[in-house]
Amino acid sequence: GAVVSQHPSRVICKSGTSVKIECRSLDFQATTMFWYRQFPKQSLMLMATSNEGSKATYEQGVEKDKFLINHASLTLSTLTVTSAHPEDSSFYICSARDRLAGLQETQYFGPGTRLLVL
Amino acid sequence: AQKITQTQPGMFVQEKEAVTLDCTYDTSDQSYGLFWYKQPSSGEMIFLLYQGSYDEQNATEGRYSLNFQKARKSANLVISASQLGDSAMYFCAMRERKRNTPLVFGKGTRLSVIA
Repeated sequence: GAVVSQHPSRVICKSGTSVKIECRSLDFQATTMFWYRQFPKQSLMLMATSNEGSKATYEQGVEKDKFLINHASLTLSTLTVTSAHPEDSSFYICSARDRLAGLQETQYFGPGTRLLVL
Repeated sequence: AQKITQTQPGMFVQEKEAVTLDCTYDTSDQSYGLFWYKQPSSGEMIFLLYQGSYDEQNATEGRYSLNFQKARKSANLVISASQLGDSAMYFCAMRERKRNTPLVFGKGTRLSVIA
């Protein structure tokens, strides 16, 4: 199946610093990528939809200026958590769909990034 | 707006027994897809099954099968012959037909398989 990589897998940072997370589709082109956040023992909550070459669409309640998303190519999307605070500590998962995919095809998920802000 | 409901926060099953994880959904669309994922403690999302709203047959894959009852808007996951490695979180998700719409997830069910 298709592979989505995510880097880094774990990151620990100090409060106030910015953290960039990369999401790559390795063997397919993804016009659209999705960013989810998952708190412990909770479900995946969609943060934003990232479209190649255009601005991301953010879900209600997600701060655009805090979670910067760039989708510069058909295989790469980045999420930057700016001025991170302890409450931003979470598991961030990216997901991508092949641009040629039909309705029945799944979204492929990256392995996730565990962010801990001290 | 689409909504997925999983009412079982946690389930226990004896090894080698079958278990059903419930999922109900709500959507105003006629065309949609339903998915089941497994998430072990490592955090990776493992795709299990897909059921299309117009599919006449229930989806199956190995020990996993989906009991799709469209009139009741339910898409329950059945795991047969449970194994210890089946212990994980299980998420039901839905996507409407429009291109590039994201998956929307239920709250999940934590399955624990007991030896």
